[in-house]
Amino acid sequence: QVQLQESGPGLVKPSETLSLTCVVSGYSMRRGDYWGWIRQPPGKGLEWVGSIYYSGTTYYRPSLESRLTMSLDTSKNQFSLNLNSVTAADTAAYYCARGIKDGGPYYFDYWGQGILVTVSS
Amino acid sequence: DIQMTQSPSALSASVGDRVTITCRASHLISNWLAWYQQKPGEAPKLLIYQASTLQSGVPSRFSGSGSGTEFTLTINGLQPDDFATYYCQQYNSYSVTFGHGTKVQVK
Repeated sequence: QVQLQESGPGLVKPSETLSLTCVVSGYSMRRGDYWGWIRQPPGKGLEWVGSIYYSGTTYYRPSLESRLTMSLDTSKNQFSLNLNSVTAADTAAYYCARGIKDGGPYYFDYWGQGILVTVSS
Repeated sequence: DIQMTQSPSALSASVGDRVTITCRASHLISNWLAWYQQKPGEAPKLLIYQASTLQSGVPSRFSGSGSGTEFTLTINGLQPDDFATYYCQQYNSYSVTFGHGTKVQVK
């Protein structure tokens, strides 16, 4: 059973860096697949943030590309997100998920429970 | 970016009803479309991928259809557990995008 668990601070100050980690269990990231972050502002819809292939290739939401860095560590079976210069608009529940390629790039079949990150001083 | 437009944004229905949700893509996406269900306070759950393939464990009352730019999610015989918000997601490009969601609420 594939499981994902997000961790990180629940409160980040404006202009600082939001850092989250997703630990994957029950599945080796070395087997392949994409690993993504999706966020959801309070009361709003889902917004794809970015994805990273197991080889390290990254895909970022265009509007976040200048502030976003994703990385992965297959030896620890985890991947990470760093979003700098945050503002209140970055307040959201952040989900990590596994992306499965089936011909088209990927859809997300397993999700973490999500972590609420609030940007406030 | 490929924009995904869902309609309606909300609907009211009763147990046993047939419910249809539409998702339109701004560009051709073949059949690279997934549907998710999300309940309050929970992570989204994958229902359908490749526009019409049911994810393992998902009840057969859920079905998907369409290709190109227009897609539908149908729930035949709505159950109490189905009141939730539904999202489509295109994966024709590596910059995937979600629809804005359709909330299915009790009539």
